[in-house]
Amino acid sequence: EPEVTQTPSHQVTQMGQEVILRCVPISNHLYFYWYRQILGQKVEFLVSFYNNEISEKSEIFDDQFSVERPDGSNFTLKIRSTKLEDSAMYFCASRVVADTQYFGPGTRLTVL
Amino acid sequence: GENVEQHPSTLSVQEGDSAVIKCTYSDSASNYFPWYKQELGKRPQLIIDIRSNVGEKKDQRIAVTLNKTAKHFSLHITETQPEDSAVYFCAASMNTGFQKLVFGTGTRLLVSP
Repeated sequence: EPEVTQTPSHQVTQMGQEVILRCVPISNHLYFYWYRQILGQKVEFLVSFYNNEISEKSEIFDDQFSVERPDGSNFTLKIRSTKLEDSAMYFCASRVVADTQYFGPGTRLTVL
Repeated sequence: GENVEQHPSTLSVQEGDSAVIKCTYSDSASNYFPWYKQELGKRPQLIIDIRSNVGEKKDQRIAVTLNKTAKHFSLHITETQPEDSAVYFCAASMNTGFQKLVFGTGTRLLVSP
């Protein structure tokens, strides 16, 4: 069964550095999402992406964040200048037209 | 915007007992309600979902009920097993095309043998 994949599984970075988190959604899916989960807390929506543009973003998704689908398979989340509070698990999700969103295994981002 | 409340935050049951987790939502326009199971360090995995045109849905030992008037929905797990131990999240979304999920705060279910 196809799955969403994410790399790396764990990223450690210094405060102020840029990071790029990568996702490969399920191949025939059309809608793409990033969520984050701070340790022990609920999953929070960051951004949705459809037809090569952002369709909705949350208050968390400020100017330090950007998303891109550079080719037909990858979907990336970039954080330009990381802060301590960006430390979290970042999940990519995708769906076809139907409701169900399928989540990737996540990237644990640790900002020191 | 939508807000989803979830109770209880932790739930301990004996193997074979039933477990019930409840969620309420604030936006009456929400019409899709999935439940995700998340094991430690793993991705959230969909276990069951319900749409607003249905009051109840069942899949083997798992069932979900929806009360649109009261704006609440519940997850029922019967004959619990130790492998059901995990964190369960409810979520709500609107079928407006882009469908961001708004999650509840999670319930940690512990099933003791």
